[in-house]
Amino acid sequence: DVKVTQSSRYLVKRTGEKVFLECVQDMDHENMFWYRQDPGLGLRLIYFSYDVKMKEKGDIPEGYSVSREKKERFSLILESASTNQTSMYLCASSPHGQPQHFGDGTRLSIL
Amino acid sequence: GESVGLHLPTLSVQEGDNSIINCAYSNSASDYFIWYKQESGKGPQFIIDIRSNMDKRQGQRVTVLLNKTVKHLSLQIAATQPGDSAVYFCAERPGFQKLVFGTGTRLLVSP
Repeated sequence: DVKVTQSSRYLVKRTGEKVFLECVQDMDHENMFWYRQDPGLGLRLIYFSYDVKMKEKGDIPEGYSVSREKKERFSLILESASTNQTSMYLCASSPHGQPQHFGDGTRLSIL
Repeated sequence: GESVGLHLPTLSVQEGDNSIINCAYSNSASDYFIWYKQESGKGPQFIIDIRSNMDKRQGQRVTVLLNKTVKHLSLQIAATQPGDSAVYFCAERPGFQKLVFGTGTRLLVSP
């Protein structure tokens, strides 16, 4: 079974902090994705990566950056956290052209 | 449990009934479509997918129908069970490796 692991289930940070969300997959997938999920808005793509050191902006990249130094790990960075970044963050991975597999999410609260 | 959508359309069915969840997609260039199930506190789980050169695909107790003329996708669940209660998302792939998700439908199954 594919395993996508997000480092924290719950995280509380303060406004202005730099926040790191980590995601690891164990299936050697080329693609990795970061989404945020908000009530009534579904899943929205923040960034994705189709190879090591490659990244592409999704639909809502503002205020975020990503890092993919190793194939199995994809990090989402909130450069200076703001309260409107309070959300559920979901990581996914997939082989090229195949369904995405999701982790169980990190619920991030920015105070 | 965590709320994944406070303002979702809801479908309520009795155990044993067949369920039909509908989805309208927006991009006529989308070549691939997928349904996910999300239970409370978990990430989305792949159910079934279909490519644009097909109009029907069947899995175990699930069928996906695609009508490209009206840009409509549906998920049929046969003999719905209480364990099918969840939020269901459709997604379309309008471009390279990216998915665009709908806002979801909550399915409630009563015994």
